[in-house]
Amino acid sequence: GNSVTQMEGPVTLSEEAFLTINCTYTATGYPSLFWYVQYPGEGLQLLLKATKADDKGSNKGFEATYRKETTSFHLEKGSVQVSDSAVYFCALSRQTGANNLFFGTGTRLTVIP
Amino acid sequence: ETGVTQTPRHLVMGMTNKKSLKCEQHLGHNAMYWYKQSAKKPLELMFVYNFKEQTENNSVPSRFSPECPNSSHLFLHLHTLQPEDSALYLCASSQVMPGEYSPLHFGNGTRLTVT
Repeated sequence: GNSVTQMEGPVTLSEEAFLTINCTYTATGYPSLFWYVQYPGEGLQLLLKATKADDKGSNKGFEATYRKETTSFHLEKGSVQVSDSAVYFCALSRQTGANNLFFGTGTRLTVIP
Repeated sequence: ETGVTQTPRHLVMGMTNKKSLKCEQHLGHNAMYWYKQSAKKPLELMFVYNFKEQTENNSVPSRFSPECPNSSHLFLHLHTLQPEDSALYLCASSQVMPGEYSPLHFGNGTRLTVT
């Protein structure tokens, strides 16, 4: 089946620290992979994506590389800010067209000044 | 307004009540979705409407009834809910294009509490 496993958290970091949130997946075929972010009181929004092996998605200083050999899509940022505090969701899509996204449980990140 | 708008933001209802959640998207998208977000669980896809036709119903209990009167509006009708149905209900939309991925645009959700 299709599923996503991400580190549970919560994660608390000081400002300017390095961030890694692990995500691994199980899927048939060649899924597309995503990170969505949910800021307090808001809905989810797409942060970055990668549609094939070895692709690197990046946005707002965040990066994730689609690693087929390890079935992983870890999220990284070199220097986090207080404004990055949010819940981060890893997700996969097994097809294009009408979306059928499989989400992880989300990882809450809190960045303290 | 822009984006995806959900009302109400908060809803408290008893198990015998009937209520409806409303979602409206102003993005011109042709697909709309209902997701359930519960603590410590992955987001659960409940329903998908593509071009106003329901294309997915992920084994959702019949006490949840979706309605999509047009491509801009989506409702979730609720009746005789259980306390375990308390969650954040998220609406999303996207533009379905063959062979391409289009990201989901989410509303801010309705926080539902069933007492």
